[in-house]
Amino acid sequence: GAVVSQHPSWVICKSGTSVKIECRSLDFQATTMFWYRQFPKQSLMLMATSNEGSKATYEQGVEKDKFLINHASLTLSTLTVTSAHPEDSSFYICSARAWGSGFTRDSPLHFGNGTRLTVT
Amino acid sequence: GDSVTQMEGPVTLSEEAFLTINCTYTATGYPSLFWYVQYPGEGLQLLLKATKADDKGSNKGFEATYRKETTSFHLEKGSVQVSDSAVYFCALSDQAGYSTLTFGKGTMLLVSP
Repeated sequence: GAVVSQHPSWVICKSGTSVKIECRSLDFQATTMFWYRQFPKQSLMLMATSNEGSKATYEQGVEKDKFLINHASLTLSTLTVTSAHPEDSSFYICSARAWGSGFTRDSPLHFGNGTRLTVT
Repeated sequence: GDSVTQMEGPVTLSEEAFLTINCTYTATGYPSLFWYVQYPGEGLQLLLKATKADDKGSNKGFEATYRKETTSFHLEKGSVQVSDSAVYFCALSDQAGYSTLTFGKGTMLLVSP
C-alpha cells in the first residue's frame, strides 16, 4: 500500500534555531500534501496545503514566514519551522494523496507517522 | 465552520467487550465522514468511511452509520481485541474544493486481556 515517510520522528532544538521536517511519498506520486499540527488532547489542525511546483496555501492564522513549506518534487514536501520558540513545540503530521486518484473528497489520504518537536 | 466532536478517552475495555465511540459533526452541505485509526508508533490509517446519509462503513469488524438526522457517525465493534488498542479519529470532508479533513480530538481505546 501507499506509504508516507516522515522524518525525523522526533527532534529537540534550541529556541531561535530552525528545524526542517521531511515528508516523502515512498511508492506513489503526490501532487498535494497536507501539513497538520496537533496539540495535546486537541484535534489535528490543518496548517497548510502543499502543492508541487507552486506556493503552499496556508490556513487562516498560520504564519507563512514562520512555517516554510517547499514541495519541490512529486514525492517530497518539507516544512521548516523558522526561529523556533517553545510555543512551537507540538506534533506535526503530514499526509498525501496519490496522483491519479483525482481530487475527489472520497480519495484516501495517506499519513506519515508524525514528528514530535520540542523547543527548549 | 465545520467541526467534529467525539467522546473523550481513554476508553478502557476488556477483550471481547462491545465498543462504541461517539462522534457528532457540524457541517454545511453534505460531508463525507471517516474514521481513522492510529496504532502506537504508526501514522493514521483510514479505517472506514461513508459518503452519504444512511451509508454504513465497515472494516475489520468496525462499523459506523452516517446519520444525517442526528449528525452522527458513531463507531462500533461487537467484540474488541487487544490489538484494537489505538487512537481513533472521527473526521469529515466537506464539499468545497478538493478534499481536506476536519478531525475530532481523537479517542484512545485501551483493551486489556
